[in-house]
Amino acid sequence: EAGVVQSPRYKIIEKKQPVAFWCNPISGHNTLYWYRQNLGQGPELLIRYENEEAVDDSQLPKDRFSAERLKGVDSTLKIQPAELGDSAVYLCASSLVGEKDGYTFGSGTRLTVV
Amino acid sequence: AQTVTQSQPEMSVQEAETVTLSCTYDTSESDYYLFWYKQPPSRQMILVIRQEAYKQQNATENRFSVNFQKAAKSFSLKISDSQLGDAAMYFCAYSSETSGSRLTFGEGTQLTVNP
Repeated sequence: EAGVVQSPRYKIIEKKQPVAFWCNPISGHNTLYWYRQNLGQGPELLIRYENEEAVDDSQLPKDRFSAERLKGVDSTLKIQPAELGDSAVYLCASSLVGEKDGYTFGSGTRLTVV
Repeated sequence: AQTVTQSQPEMSVQEAETVTLSCTYDTSESDYYLFWYKQPPSRQMILVIRQEAYKQQNATENRFSVNFQKAAKSFSLKISDSQLGDAAMYFCAYSSETSGSRLTFGEGTQLTVNP
C-alpha cells in the first residue's frame, strides 16, 4: 500500500513568487493535515481537513496561504507571495477520523525561498 | 495551551547500549495521548510508540519503552540495544480529544549511534 505521497520533494523559488505543494493521502483516510517544520524545530499544524471541510485552520496565515481538498482526497497547499521566512519543510499527514494511533506522514517538501 | 519540552538537543549512544530521551509537557487536561516520533534524514515522521494518559502501564514496542510519570508530566523514551538505524531526530508529541487530534511537538533530540 502506498503511503502519503507528496510532491515536489524540493522547491527553490525567489521571494514574492507563488508556490504550490501537493499531497495524496492514504486511500480511505478522511482526515488530512498540513504541518510546517522550521529548521531545528518540531512540526506545527497549519490546517486539518475532515473530508472536504477545513475544521482547524487557526494557524494558517490566511493573507498568503491557502489550501484546498477537493473531493475529500488529495490536497494542495499554496503560498502567494512567498517570503524568506516561509523556507521550511511542509509535511502532509493523513489518518482515519478518531484514529488514536497517530497519523501517517509523507516525506515532505523542502521549500527554500531566496 | 499545551506545551512539550525536550531539553536534550543532542544525545549519543554506543551501539548495543541503552539511551534515554527526556520529554516533559504541560497540560491541564486529564485525558490525552503522548507519542514519540522518529524523523530520519528522509524527513518522514515515523511513529515509534504511543501512550494513553489513562493507562498506568508503560507502553513497550520491542526495544523501545517509555517511562510515563503523569503527576510529574514526564514522558521519557528508552531505547535498548541501540542500533545504527536508530540514529535520527526524535520528537515527543502530545494530542488530546479537545485539540481535535492536533499534534503538539517538542523541539526534538538528535540521536547519534556510534559503532
